[in-house]
Amino acid sequence: ETGVTQSPTHLIKTRGQQVTLRCSSQSGHNTVSWYQQALGQGPQFIFQYYREEENGRGNFPPRFSGLQFPNYSSELNVNALELDDSALYLCATGVAGMRADTQYFGPGTRLTVL
Amino acid sequence: GNSVTQMEGPVTLSEEAFLTINCTYTATGYPSLFWYVQYPGEGLQLLLKATKADDKGSNKGFEATYRKETTSFHLEKGSVQVSDSAVYFCALMQTGANNLFFGTGTRLTVIP
Repeated sequence: ETGVTQSPTHLIKTRGQQVTLRCSSQSGHNTVSWYQQALGQGPQFIFQYYREEENGRGNFPPRFSGLQFPNYSSELNVNALELDDSALYLCATGVAGMRADTQYFGPGTRLTVL
Repeated sequence: GNSVTQMEGPVTLSEEAFLTINCTYTATGYPSLFWYVQYPGEGLQLLLKATKADDKGSNKGFEATYRKETTSFHLEKGSVQVSDSAVYFCALMQTGANNLFFGTGTRLTVIP
């Protein structure tokens, strides 16, 4: 079991609202990546943060944004929620310069948009 | 572009049966290949990996061989247990990249 935690576990929002999801990092890790896992699909890379700046982004619109804090915890913010944003959101933390497969994943936040 | 195609599930097997979950990929160059497992309520865990052609990754009785000629990385286990019930994801990573491309996942249920 890893030290990566995410909150909240579940969340229900309505279309057009904004949501903030949180991730706390494994001790010693300084990067955080966010993935979206729609029902029945594999995780898709949203972006990675390192040194409090975005360090790579997948094919997601600007209404998906993030923050990384000095203690390496992170937030994922999604504005103007759409029904298709309903998914499990995973964060993964790692060490800069190390391969992506050395990252530890959190258990995820399940977001439902009504 | 990069893509991973996995055998569709769900897969239901009896305990001690042989398991194969097929995975093929499309990628430029020489990606690294992985299998991840997702148990209920837990985060994705790396199960095994292979970083170059003909490498065999293995862990907990599971194994997969990187076959460049068939662009495949099929997961196998000789004798599954009830505790292996989970969702399995095949994934690839391009050299120098900081992110993973995942397949759609295959749910395995093992019944006693």
